[in-house]
Amino acid sequence: GDSVTQMEGPVTLSEEAFLTINCTYTATGYPSLFWYVQYPGEGLQLLLKATKADDKGSNKGFEATYRKETTSFHLEKGSVQVSDSAVYFCALRLYGNNRLAFGKGNQVVVIP
Amino acid sequence: DTEVTQTPKHLVMGMTNKKSLKCEQHMGHRAMYWYKQKAKKPPELMFVYSYEKLSINESVPSRFSPECPNSSLLNLHLHALQPEDSALYLCASSQARDESIPYEQYFGPGTRLTVT
Repeated sequence: GDSVTQMEGPVTLSEEAFLTINCTYTATGYPSLFWYVQYPGEGLQLLLKATKADDKGSNKGFEATYRKETTSFHLEKGSVQVSDSAVYFCALRLYGNNRLAFGKGNQVVVIP
Repeated sequence: DTEVTQTPKHLVMGMTNKKSLKCEQHMGHRAMYWYKQKAKKPPELMFVYSYEKLSINESVPSRFSPECPNSSLLNLHLHALQPEDSALYLCASSQARDESIPYEQYFGPGTRLTVT
């Protein structure tokens, strides 16, 4: 079945450091790919999306490129802030399918 | 406007109580969803309504009863819950599957439910 794999474990880094969170997927068709962010005590917010190969989604300094050849959608930010501390979920959705497949999520902690 | 609202924000209920969670969106979306989220886990899909009809029930116990009175509203009726049902309940909406893509889901802030 369709699935998303995120790197294991929390990510702790210092302010202004470079952030990368890995996401790979397995899908039978051509999925749309998403990154969602969940701040403490809140719901999920759509951070960025990409719908076809080589699309780059970007928002709030975050970027991710849909790589069909490596089935990946890694999230990057060049200089993180304390306010970026949150849980980040990678997700996919196939056309015509109402289900979102989520990765397990990564807790990101940014230290001043 | 990409807002999904949920009420109440917090709810504490006993195992014999009956309560309801409410969700509302005004984006013209025709698909609405209920998810359950435990701490440090991704959301788990419970129900999907498409064009106000229940299209997916992920084998959820009958003590959870969804209702979609119209295209903007989604309710989740709760009865005789167990302590293990304590969680964050998230509502989401999106374009329905017959409409244009990409159709991302927009989530509400959730209701934090505690069953005592």
